[in-house]
Amino acid sequence: EAGVAQSPRYKIIEKRQSVAFWCNPISGHATLYWYQQILGQGPKLLIQFQNNGVVDDSQLPKDRFSAERLKGVDSTLKIQPAKLEDSAVYLCASSLLARGRFGSYEQYFGPGTRLTVT
Amino acid sequence: GDSVTQMEGPVTLSEEAFLTINCTYTATGYPSLFWYVQYPGEGLQLLLKATKADDKGSNKGFEATYRKETTSFHLEKGSVQVSDSAVYFCAPRGNQFYFGTGTSLTVIP
Repeated sequence: EAGVAQSPRYKIIEKRQSVAFWCNPISGHATLYWYQQILGQGPKLLIQFQNNGVVDDSQLPKDRFSAERLKGVDSTLKIQPAKLEDSAVYLCASSLLARGRFGSYEQYFGPGTRLTVT
Repeated sequence: GDSVTQMEGPVTLSEEAFLTINCTYTATGYPSLFWYVQYPGEGLQLLLKATKADDKGSNKGFEATYRKETTSFHLEKGSVQVSDSAVYFCAPRGNQFYFGTGTSLTVIP
């Protein structure tokens, strides 16, 4: 079974530039998550999709961050314009559903995209 | 709101030593509890989980018991190996996933 795919793996941009990240979840997984992991911290949820609908985007800085999952499969996360504090690893994860009868389904994480903003 | 407090690191142990990484949480409702591990240069992987009170999750010699009365989910291993060197994250799942700040473990031969 193929895992969660992300690209690019690394990206260096200057502040005020734009950047986009791509994620392809595990086939059949309805739920897709984007996390931001700043060095030395745990991942922070940015946005959660169930199929192509947004379930939770309460921690997404909507003035500069946007995400979409148009066909309920792969997803893109965009930052425009980037700030220095956006330097982090952006993780994509997927699960069968968000929450099942016996508790939460396991999330499977991609390798992440390391973003450096200079 | 939901939150998690995880033992700070870094932790350095000798091979075959006993490991405990403390994790306590606050969450609305009845969360599921997870430990994730991140090996050097790799992505996050599920290590173990527990979905109800007194459940014990276990994997690769690691164990953690869901203690509802103390809202804790401490990670333990009786005898660590060099290959266990990684960063460990406690992650309760109530209304959403919350990850702890991570505990870096280094096991020396």
